[in-house]
Amino acid sequence: QVQLVQSGAEVKKPGASVRVSCEASGYSFISYGLDWVRQAPGQGLEWVGWISAYDGKTKYTQKLQGRVTVTTDTSTSTAYMEVRSLRSDDTAVYYCARGGVDASGGYYFDYWGQGTLVTVSS
Amino acid sequence: DIQMTQSPSSLSASVGDRVTITCRASQYIDSYLNWYQQKPGKAPKLLIYAASNFQSGVPSRFSGSGSGTDFTLTISSLQPEDFATYYCQQSYNIPRTFGQGTKLQIK
Repeated sequence: QVQLVQSGAEVKKPGASVRVSCEASGYSFISYGLDWVRQAPGQGLEWVGWISAYDGKTKYTQKLQGRVTVTTDTSTSTAYMEVRSLRSDDTAVYYCARGGVDASGGYYFDYWGQGTLVTVSS
Repeated sequence: DIQMTQSPSSLSASVGDRVTITCRASQYIDSYLNWYQQKPGKAPKLLIYAASNFQSGVPSRFSGSGSGTDFTLTISSLQPEDFATYYCQQSYNIPRTFGQGTKLQIK
């Protein structure tokens, strides 16, 4: 079965960097895109970025442009998200999600990781 | 960016009720609209993709409709396990924006 398993919670100081991993299993890793979505405490869902596991192309939200990088290691079927220059408002649960594509080209998040809490606090 | 607006933001209902949540896009998005359910402390779960297609394993009491800018998620007969927060999300373009969520509570 498809599984996305993320790394554990992190506590970071403002200005630091954090890297969250997402290990995929149960499907052909390079056949799907992977997105990252975050959720601040008590808030809604916010899309962060996307990577094609096939060719490594990426897209990011303008809000984090320049501070976030998503990469993959196809040898281990793992995606990584790094956020640099952390601020207190980056405190959130970060989810990875597999991107499914339907026949009409629609894109949806069909499997999700369990989430990783990143806390930014001095 | 495409803005997604859900209504209502919260809703109280009883087991057995029929409930409808609406989602409006700030511009045309064809049928590129997905619905998710999220329970406290859990990752979201895909319910409906491409406006009206059921994700495998989703009960038939959930249905989605709409195209263009206006969409609805309907739960035909609420069950206790349906009390959660629901989000719409557009995949017409990037950034893939979400609605603000609709919290469905027990009356």
